[in-house]
Amino acid sequence: EAQVTQNPRYLITVTGKKLTVTCSQNMNHEYMSWYRQDPGLGLRQIYYSMNVEVTDKGDVPEGYKVSRKEKRNFPLILESPSPNQTSLYFCASSLNSGGGAYEQYFGPGTRLTVT
Amino acid sequence: QKEVEQDPGPLSVPEGAIVSLNCTYSNSAFQYFMWYRQYSRKGPELLMYTYSSGNKEDGRFTAQVDKSSKYISLFIRDSQPSDSATYLCAMSGNTNAGKSTFGDGTTLTVKP
Repeated sequence: EAQVTQNPRYLITVTGKKLTVTCSQNMNHEYMSWYRQDPGLGLRQIYYSMNVEVTDKGDVPEGYKVSRKEKRNFPLILESPSPNQTSLYFCASSLNSGGGAYEQYFGPGTRLTVT
Repeated sequence: QKEVEQDPGPLSVPEGAIVSLNCTYSNSAFQYFMWYRQYSRKGPELLMYTYSSGNKEDGRFTAQVDKSSKYISLFIRDSQPSDSATYLCAMSGNTNAGKSTFGDGTTLTVKP
């Protein structure tokens, strides 16, 4: 089954404790992206990757890191999480890297709480 | 001011109604216009996308783009309770490819 998977689905952590949210897709997509979704603020892009070893900032990259060493994986790293990073996170992928990846497939989401 | 503004809703309609969901935008570089549907506690799923101006129809759904007015719409005909969800518009361009900008979403409830 074609899908984007994220792990963990739920995470409660404390301020300053480094964490990684994994994202994997099995569709051989070139493009992958991370978003956060907050009430009243909608879906905001954190980072995206047009291909392996090619990453770029979205609208809200502060406090996050990403890497793209393999085509299928695009982990999101929070080096020192803070409470304002409490959010619902989505990973997405697309075969089409042009035009902002106009056909994105989203993962199920990771709900992160930082206390 | 946000680049993409979406009618906030929420919207509640009876089953069978025609629904109109709308977004406006300010960035004239946007060329791709998408509509996603998001059910509660799920990730967004793509409904339709349109390149540049014009209409696109898929079953009960019609997407319209008016680039001269910087206005896009999604129409749902014969709405069903299963259409109850949050609808997100999204936009991107050929320049700065890779960036996608989403509206805040409109929550629709279709009552049987």
